[in-house]
Amino acid sequence: EPEVTQTPSHQVTQMGQEVILRCVPISNHLYFYWYRQILGQKVEFLVSFYNNEISEKSEIFDDQFSVERPDGSNFTLKIRSTKLEDSAMYFCASHRTSSGNTIYFGEGSWLTVV
Amino acid sequence: DAKTTQPPSMDCAEGRAANLPCNHSTISGNEYVYWYRQIHSQGPQYIIHGLKNNETNEMASLIITEDRKSSTLILPHATLRDTAVYYCIVSSGSNDYKLSFGAGTTVTVRA
Repeated sequence: EPEVTQTPSHQVTQMGQEVILRCVPISNHLYFYWYRQILGQKVEFLVSFYNNEISEKSEIFDDQFSVERPDGSNFTLKIRSTKLEDSAMYFCASHRTSSGNTIYFGEGSWLTVV
Repeated sequence: DAKTTQPPSMDCAEGRAANLPCNHSTISGNEYVYWYRQIHSQGPQYIIHGLKNNETNEMASLIITEDRKSSTLILPHATLRDTAVYYCIVSSGSNDYKLSFGAGTTVTVRA
């Protein structure tokens, strides 16, 4: 069964450093997402991406965050200057285009900022 | 914010059916009911979704009331591996949509 894959599974970084989280969505999917989950809290929407541009972003997704689809397969989330409160599990997700379709999630990248 | 109400937790005996209720009284006509689960901080796993008809797949059944204001997810024979947080989410499911996760129901399957 096709799946969304994410790397790294866990990353520890110093506060203020840049981090790039990588995702390979399911190959025939056209809509891409990043969600995050701070330990013990709800899964939160960050951003959606379609046709090489952001289609919606939450208030969490400030200027420190950016997303990119640099080639036909990867979808990345960059955090420019990490803060302690960015420590969370980051989930990539994707889906095809059609009504009532299903969003599939990756297993997540656990980011720890120290 | 999530537009659904779920009990915070429930227990289930292994091998028995688990019935997970969800209220979504403000659901719109074009919104689907989606169920996902999350096992121990893994990525949310899709279970099933429906618009107004009852649905069944290899994982579960979804029963939606006629007025669509509530639904029940049924795990027919719960196993220990079904212990997870289960999320009921309503969403348009259209081209570019997002899922708003609430707190879900923590289901513990006991031997």
